[in-house]
Amino acid sequence: EVQLLESGGGLVQPGGSLRLSCAASGFTFKAYAMSWVRQAPGKGLEWVSALNDGGYNTYYADSVKGRFTISRDNSKSTLFLQMNSLTPEDTAVYYCAKDGRGWYEGPFDLWGQGTLVTVSS
Amino acid sequence: EVVLTQSPGTLSLSPGERGTLSCRASQRIGGDYLAWYQLKRGQAPRLLIYSAVYRATGIPARFSGTGSGTDFTLTISRLEPEDVAVYYCQQYGSTSIFGQGTKVEIK
Repeated sequence: EVQLLESGGGLVQPGGSLRLSCAASGFTFKAYAMSWVRQAPGKGLEWVSALNDGGYNTYYADSVKGRFTISRDNSKSTLFLQMNSLTPEDTAVYYCAKDGRGWYEGPFDLWGQGTLVTVSS
Repeated sequence: EVVLTQSPGTLSLSPGERGTLSCRASQRIGGDYLAWYQLKRGQAPRLLIYSAVYRATGIPARFSGTGSGTDFTLTISRLEPEDVAVYYCQQYGSTSIFGQGTKVEIK
């Protein structure tokens, strides 16, 4: 089955760190760019970060630049998001999303169900 | 940076009724790189339309996209109960920007 499965969300204190994972199955993971998109409670979608197929071109939203790091392990068909210096404004459901090409462009033709990150003391 | 404005905020329709969702861009979207997504509570988001007018794989024919430049429309020709969701437009390409969403509910 073609799917993306996120994990690693949870409750973390402000200033803390969290690492999200996204396990891909059912397609050739290494051939596609991947992104993280988040949705804060009661808000719309916000693109967070993207990574090309080979993992050497990264892109970040200004709101997370310098704090978040996207990476991938193509041998394990897994995407990661390392989140540091978290603030309450980072509270959201985080989705991983597959691009239709090997480079970041969009649209996102496959999404996971998301993992909830809550930043609170 | 492009701003996408969706209207209406909420669309209340009866089953079988036609619904029209609007997405207006503050600047022309090059290549008509405009997509529509459906978000249902507790489910993975789903790509409906890309390049403004093309249905994604497996999307029912009652969903259609039109428009170019700065004005885009998603039409649901006959609302089904399972279409209750929030719909987002997205500009993609060199950057990825979403509209604020339109909630579709059953009247």
